[in-house]
Amino acid sequence: NAGVTQTPKFRILKIGQSMTLQCTQDMNHNYMYWYRQDPGMGLKLIYYSVGAGITDKGEVPNGYNVSRSTTEDFPLRLELAAPSQTSVYFCASEGPGYQPQHFGDGTRLSIL
Amino acid sequence: EDKVVQSPLSLVVHEGDTVTLNCSYEVTNFRSLLWYKQEKKAPTFLFMLTSSGIEKKSGRLSSILDKKELFSILNITATQTGDSAVYLCAVGTWGTGNQFYFGTGTSLTVIP
Repeated sequence: NAGVTQTPKFRILKIGQSMTLQCTQDMNHNYMYWYRQDPGMGLKLIYYSVGAGITDKGEVPNGYNVSRSTTEDFPLRLELAAPSQTSVYFCASEGPGYQPQHFGDGTRLSIL
Repeated sequence: EDKVVQSPLSLVVHEGDTVTLNCSYEVTNFRSLLWYKQEKKAPTFLFMLTSSGIEKKSGRLSSILDKKELFSILNITATQTGDSAVYLCAVGTWGTGNQFYFGTGTSLTVIP
């Protein structure tokens, strides 16, 4: 019963590098979300998806891109890493109806 | 602008005390209010509230929603050191997609 799986758990990037944060869920949930959490702050929504092929911007989408080619996978792409993107990134999925979100364990990303 | 405000920002209590955490919100198209507990990793789900005046209870934790005054409280009775965590409030909205807005959290420390 894997739930929501995020990889990698930790990563250090240099300024200007790019990378993809992976997120996969095995609950057949249509709704998926990417959040970032800065120290001492709540979660800010970056992008979300209501189903395969459909994505939309959240509160803080600048500097990020997403795709949703399958129900299971929702990768987050950083094209030109900047120090302001140092954060912990959480992926979540949600089932139909009034259900809470299920969160992955997070990816801690540092950009130096 | 949609927003969720939690108070207090932090709280230090002794074991056995009772605490009340507050969450107020201003959002359009309210769908649900959720409470999460976060201990260094991913948030774990506590309660989902959709209707006013109906208390949700789980052991020593309880929560209630007031949709007229736009707030919720989370009560923890007979606190234990294991209750030490950040408690997050999130409000879900209906719209072109399902979005969630998180507060900055209340950091609770329970000392023996």
